[in-house]
Amino acid sequence: AQTVTQSQPEMSVQEAETVTLSCTYDTSENNYYLFWYKQPPSRQMILVIRQEAYKQQNATENRFSVNFQKAAKSFSLKISDSQLGDTAMYFCAFMKQPPYSGGGADGLTFGKGTHLIIQP
Amino acid sequence: NAGVTQTPKFQVLKTGQSMTLQCAQDMNHEYMSWYRQDPGMGLRLIHYSVGAGITDQGEVPNGYNVSRSTTEDFPLRLLSAAPSQTSVYFCASSYSGQPNSPLHFGNGTRLTVT
Repeated sequence: AQTVTQSQPEMSVQEAETVTLSCTYDTSENNYYLFWYKQPPSRQMILVIRQEAYKQQNATENRFSVNFQKAAKSFSLKISDSQLGDTAMYFCAFMKQPPYSGGGADGLTFGKGTHLIIQP
Repeated sequence: NAGVTQTPKFQVLKTGQSMTLQCAQDMNHEYMSWYRQDPGMGLRLIHYSVGAGITDQGEVPNGYNVSRSTTEDFPLRLLSAAPSQTSVYFCASSYSGQPNSPLHFGNGTRLTVT
């Protein structure tokens, strides 16, 4: 089984600053994907960014980028030029590549989340 | 395009009551799943389905039943609600269930069991 750990329960930064959210994971799998999801107060789960473990290049999506360190099992999210609308819970998640064995081994494994507050 | 629709948005039950949380998607996705989110926790997988007629257990299946008679619908049944089932429930679907197929989430159902 895999575990995902987010060590920062809450972070607060000023608007326009850059912020980095930490995530570490533990797995014996070699092929997997990692994700960052955003959950604003509306409760909707929104995919922010995705990283395939076999890719060495770090994924980027506009102001969002990751620092993926496979050997260290670390997957941090950097938000540049933070905006008030970035205020939300952020969840790091893990999913292994097929084939799947069933019986609870599949699907996304989430961390406990980091509450990010962007101050005006 | 409605996406993933969950009903109801809120529900209060008494211990021992039964109910069904509804989930429907209009994207012709083969894969559907149910997660629960408890305070201070990430989402945890309850049950999932890779197609009509096929279901399997996730990480926390006890106390819940599912069935998948159509591609569009994936209801979650609580046969005898317990206070430990107080949570926010999310339904999610994707084209294939594989990691390169993005999951689409519903807006959640907040369930309180007293």
